[in-house]
Amino acid sequence: GDSVTQMEGPVTLSEEAFLTINCTYTATGYPSLFWYVQYPGEGLQLLLKATKADDKGSNKGFEATYRKETTSFHLEKGSVQVSDSAVYFCALSEGGGSNYKLTFGKGTLLTVNP
Amino acid sequence: KAGVTQTPRYLIKTRGQQVTLSCSPISGHRSVSWYQQTPGQGLQFLFEYFSETQRNKGNFPGRFSGRQFSNSRSEMNVSTLELGDSALYLCASSLWASGSNEQFFGPGTRLTVL
Repeated sequence: GDSVTQMEGPVTLSEEAFLTINCTYTATGYPSLFWYVQYPGEGLQLLLKATKADDKGSNKGFEATYRKETTSFHLEKGSVQVSDSAVYFCALSEGGGSNYKLTFGKGTLLTVNP
Repeated sequence: KAGVTQTPRYLIKTRGQQVTLSCSPISGHRSVSWYQQTPGQGLQFLFEYFSETQRNKGNFPGRFSGRQFSNSRSEMNVSTLELGDSALYLCASSLWASGSNEQFFGPGTRLTVL
């Protein structure tokens, strides 16, 4: 079945540092890929998405490129801020209709110190 | 436009009891999905409803059930509660049940089973 593997946390960075959170996936077809973020005490918010190979999703300075050849969707940001501290989830959605669901990675806790 | 709302936000129950959680999707959204979030298992898909029909179900025992009403509001029910059912239950809605569609998440219901 489908699965998502993302780097284990926690990740602790200083403000303005470069961020990479690795994500790889296994799927039988051509999934759509997502990064969701969860702030303390809240639900998940979509950060960015990509729906086909070589697409780049971007939002709020975060970027991720859909790499079919390496089955990866790594999240990057050039300069993190304290307000980026949260848990980040990589996810995929392969089917529509009766197969419609999100499959998530375990999540990566990011803490950014001033 | 109002977001996804879930009630109640917090619940405390004892083993053997049953519980009903409610979710109101974003207006116009027809697909409602439920997820369980625990520290050990992460985010796991429970089920998805579209036009009052359950079309997809995750790997959970029959004690977990749900339904969707004609106005797209959804409820999930857990009977004969076990300690391991303690979790954050997240509801998500989507305009269509298509793999590329974003799912919008509510804040969750925190269930504690004593």
